[in-house]
Amino acid sequence: AQSVTQLDSQVPVFEEAPVELRCNYSSSVSVYLFWYVQYPNQGLQLLLKYLSGSTLVKGINGFEAEFNKSQTSFHLRKPSVHISDTAEYFCAVSRNNFNKFYFGSGTKLNVKP
Amino acid sequence: KAGVTQTPRYLIKTRGQQVTLSCSPISGHRSVSWYQQTPGQGLQFLFEYFSETQRNKGNFPGRFSGRQFSNSRSEMNVSTLELGDSALYLCASSPDRGSPGNTIYFGEGSWLTVV
Repeated sequence: AQSVTQLDSQVPVFEEAPVELRCNYSSSVSVYLFWYVQYPNQGLQLLLKYLSGSTLVKGINGFEAEFNKSQTSFHLRKPSVHISDTAEYFCAVSRNNFNKFYFGSGTKLNVKP
Repeated sequence: KAGVTQTPRYLIKTRGQQVTLSCSPISGHRSVSWYQQTPGQGLQFLFEYFSETQRNKGNFPGRFSGRQFSNSRSEMNVSTLELGDSALYLCASSPDRGSPGNTIYFGEGSWLTVV
């Protein structure tokens, strides 16, 4: 079975500071990893995904994430955040070619001026 | 290209009633899945349909059901509503071309309040 852990429920950060949102997963089989963002009263939007290959993946809005197989982690980073990045971020895993995703509990990023 | 469209966006129902939610996937997408989002349980997978067949099912009671039509549009139904069914119901579609690691694309959701 898969599980996804987002250790931080809330992350406050000042504008233009760097940020890292942590995600760890557990799975006995190979998984595919995703980060989604949810703005208030909206659905989820894909930020980036890791399927295979280079462990550093770049996504939209300047975000990137690094897959670390030995630590079973897929942390999301941004070198300089903006007020508009304030949202909730979800890490998710899927496996094989099934569209059943397992989501973490989410991390609310609050960017302060 | 239009995104995933869900209707209605907001609705209020009374305990014991039933509700039907609709989802139109992105054009060309054959897979539609449904998720329930609540503050307490987070995002939970309900079920997935592909070519009018339920391909995957989450751990929800039989009161939750769904179907998919030949044009890939999907509906989900919740019967005998309970207060705990109040949630944001999200639909997601995927092109699912048979390769692993498909991306799913979400609609804006249907907010259901049970009173």
